[in-house]
Amino acid sequence: KNQVEQSPQSLIILEGKNCTLQCNYTVSPFSNLRWYKQDTGRGPVSLTIMTFSENTKSNGRYTATLDADTKQSSLHITASQLSDSASYICVVSSGGSYIPTFGRGTSLIVHP
Amino acid sequence: GAGVSQSPSNKVTEKGKDVELRCDPISGHTALYWYRQRLGQGLEFLIYFQGNSAPDKSGLPSDRFSAERTGESVSTLTIQRTQQEDSAVYLCASSYPLGGDEKLFFGSGTQLSVL
Repeated sequence: KNQVEQSPQSLIILEGKNCTLQCNYTVSPFSNLRWYKQDTGRGPVSLTIMTFSENTKSNGRYTATLDADTKQSSLHITASQLSDSASYICVVSSGGSYIPTFGRGTSLIVHP
Repeated sequence: GAGVSQSPSNKVTEKGKDVELRCDPISGHTALYWYRQRLGQGLEFLIYFQGNSAPDKSGLPSDRFSAERTGESVSTLTIQRTQQEDSAVYLCASSYPLGGDEKLFFGSGTQLSVL
């Protein structure tokens, strides 16, 4: 059964600090991995996509990594801002299936 | 351009009543998904449409739940004889299927409260 596990479940940090969110998956065959950001009261929005051959990708202050051998991904947020407070969801797509597998998300709270 | 639109944004109903939730996907997106998100929980897959057909409805929790899509556009999710456990945010997403590289575009959801 395809599964995506995220840690930590929740995280509280001070504004300006860095943080790293983790995602472990057991999805086969692997196609790609996306990180979504879900603000309170809104639908998730895609931040970045990682394919099998990519190890790291940056989008502004967000940097995603992928280790396809260990089936792990991380999302690093640099110099956090209050607007980074949201749920971050790891989503893995499997080749041949149009139904991606969602993690339960990490709830990030950034305090001033 | 317009994104995915869902209506109503909020719905309060009494236990036992039927409700209809609407989703207008992005024009040209042939794939459409419905998800349920209970308070503080992750997204729970309900049903997937490709065009007007639903090749995967495995996530519908009971026969009280049904969905349809017409004209490869608007979709409605119907919940009959609502129960308090149906209270949740119902999210709709659409995408242009690229054989496993789907980027889902989500609406803001319908917050359903069953009293």
